[in-house]
Amino acid sequence: NAGVTQTPKFRILKIGQSMTLQCTQDMNHNYMYWYRQDPGMGLKLIYYSVGAGITDKGEVPNGYNVSRSTTEDFPLRLELAAPSQTSVYFCASSYYGLNTEAFFGQGTRLTVV
Amino acid sequence: KNQVEQSPQSLIILEGKNCTLQCNYTVSPFSNLRWYKQDTGRGPVSLTIMTFSENTKSNGRYTATLDADTKQSSLHITASQLSDSASYICVVSGNAGKSTFGDGTTLTVKP
Repeated sequence: NAGVTQTPKFRILKIGQSMTLQCTQDMNHNYMYWYRQDPGMGLKLIYYSVGAGITDKGEVPNGYNVSRSTTEDFPLRLELAAPSQTSVYFCASSYYGLNTEAFFGQGTRLTVV
Repeated sequence: KNQVEQSPQSLIILEGKNCTLQCNYTVSPFSNLRWYKQDTGRGPVSLTIMTFSENTKSNGRYTATLDADTKQSSLHITASQLSDSASYICVVSGNAGKSTFGDGTTLTVKP
């Protein structure tokens, strides 16, 4: 099993550009999440999904959008990149709910210049 | 406001030594507490998960304790190895399903 796979691993964006961070999992998990991790800080939940077709906001959703058309995929969209979005982004999934053990991808390091 | 505070922020120990990391939280009501290990440049990996009724849980050389009355947890690492060098993250969840992440403790094990 590959687990949770994120692409790309690294990306540099210019202010105002858009991009999509891809995330796919092969564990048939219902729940999927996007987090951001700023240096020296704890992970912050951006968006989550409890199943295909259902998404909800986390703590820091502004500037991001998500969709969940299949159980496997949960892409994160940045529409107008800003320097404040420079961070490491982690996708995760879990079989049960928000407060259970999650499996994380390797992360995408995004720099907005 | 739900908070999770970890200490120390960073720690350096010699290979073979033991160490203990602390996690204090104010999350209420409480559902569970998880410890994750995050290697540099990687995503977090689950070490242990404890509910209200559990006060000790082990995973190899890692032993987590939980005192739900004082809202404290510790992660004890026995006979440290170079591969234990990582950030250790404490995560506390409430009954509403929301999780609060600590900022982590960065452990460096030196030969």
